[in-house]
Amino acid sequence: AQTVTQSQPEMSVQEAETVTLSCTYDTSESDYYLFWYKQPPSRQMILVIRQEAYKQQNATENRFSVNFQKAAKSFSLKISDSQLGDAAMYFCAYRRGDYKLSFGAGTTVTVRA
Amino acid sequence: DTEVTQTPKHLVMGMTNKKSLKCEQHMGHRAMYWYKQKAKKPPELMFVYSYEKLSINESVPSRFSPECPNSSLLNLHLHALQPEDSALYLCASSPATSDATETQYFGPGTRLLVL
Repeated sequence: AQTVTQSQPEMSVQEAETVTLSCTYDTSESDYYLFWYKQPPSRQMILVIRQEAYKQQNATENRFSVNFQKAAKSFSLKISDSQLGDAAMYFCAYRRGDYKLSFGAGTTVTVRA
Repeated sequence: DTEVTQTPKHLVMGMTNKKSLKCEQHMGHRAMYWYKQKAKKPPELMFVYSYEKLSINESVPSRFSPECPNSSLLNLHLHALQPEDSALYLCASSPATSDATETQYFGPGTRLLVL
């Protein structure tokens, strides 16, 4: 079974600053995909970024970037130039070649004005 | 357009009621999912439909009954629910189920309260 661990239940960041969310996972697979989803208080789950395990290059989407360390089974998310709209719960998720997404417990990000 | 719509947004029902949740997508996706999410918790998978056929039932009680009338619609029929079934019910879709590259796109959810 795959497990995803997010060790930070809550993180707080000053507007315009950078925050990094950690995620580790456990798997015996070599081919899989990792995702970060954002769920604001309005509740819709939105894809932030995804990473293919076979790619060494870290994925980047505007202010969001990941640090993917395959050997360490680590997949952290960095939010740069934090904005008030970034306040949300962030879920790290793992998917291999079937239908299931395994989610971490989530990290609530608060952005201070 | 990566939109998945769900109706209703909110639903209050008694334990003897029968109600249905509806999910719709027009992205041509052939896989659709129901998740249950409790407050401050990650979503838990309930059902997966692939090409309009139920492919996965995650040991969900029979008081939840899914239905996929066509490739764009997914329903969840509710009957004789318990108060502990109160949660946010999320629908998601993806192009297919067997490819890990397929991203799941989520709807806004239906907030269900069972009295």
